[in-house]
Amino acid sequence: EVQLQQSGAELGKPGTSVKLSCKVSGYNIRNTYMHWVNQRPGKGLEWIGRIDPANGNTIYAEKFKSKATLTADTSSNTAYMQLSQLKSDDTAIYFCAMRGNFDYWGQGVMVTVSS
Amino acid sequence: EIVLTQSPTTMAASPGEKVTITCRASSSVSYMHWFQQKSGTSPKPWIYDTSKLASGVPDRFSGSGSGTSYSLTISSMEAEDAATYYCLQRSSYPYTFGAGTKLELK
Repeated sequence: EVQLQQSGAELGKPGTSVKLSCKVSGYNIRNTYMHWVNQRPGKGLEWIGRIDPANGNTIYAEKFKSKATLTADTSSNTAYMQLSQLKSDDTAIYFCAMRGNFDYWGQGVMVTVSS
Repeated sequence: EIVLTQSPTTMAASPGEKVTITCRASSSVSYMHWFQQKSGTSPKPWIYDTSKLASGVPDRFSGSGSGTSYSLTISSMEAEDAATYYCLQRSSYPYTFGAGTKLELK
């Protein structure tokens, strides 16, 4: 059974960074892109970017190019997303997802930015 | 960036009623994909490659369209179909989602 297990909720202060993880079991992440999607409170889904864990190649939505950094560790079958220079507007649920049709999703992690 | 415009934003349907949700793209896309999301849960793949039902999706759902206009149809609304539906294009980067259609049971 394929499972994506995301790290726990984060509370970050403005100007700081957080690093989220997405550990995959039941599937080798070398064989898929890992996508990240956010959802602000009460709002819709927003695609942040994707990484090819096999070679580290990344593509980001323009607005996240200086906000998010995607990495992956194939030895632990885990994808990561670091969010930098946190602002209140970054408060959202962040999902990881994978496979061509976004077949599998993590449970989501709430990131709250507050002083 | 391809902008996806969903309509309606919200709607309510009675049991047995036919429901159609549309998704229009600002540029032509090869396929459209749809997700269902219920409150407090992760999105679920629902329809992929315009018209293929994801595993476990009831056959009262269907998808159609081409170019810049796509739709998701429920032939006969059931209570369990109440949710928010999002379209997604992955024909070109950046991938983009529609703003969502909240479907409620009347």
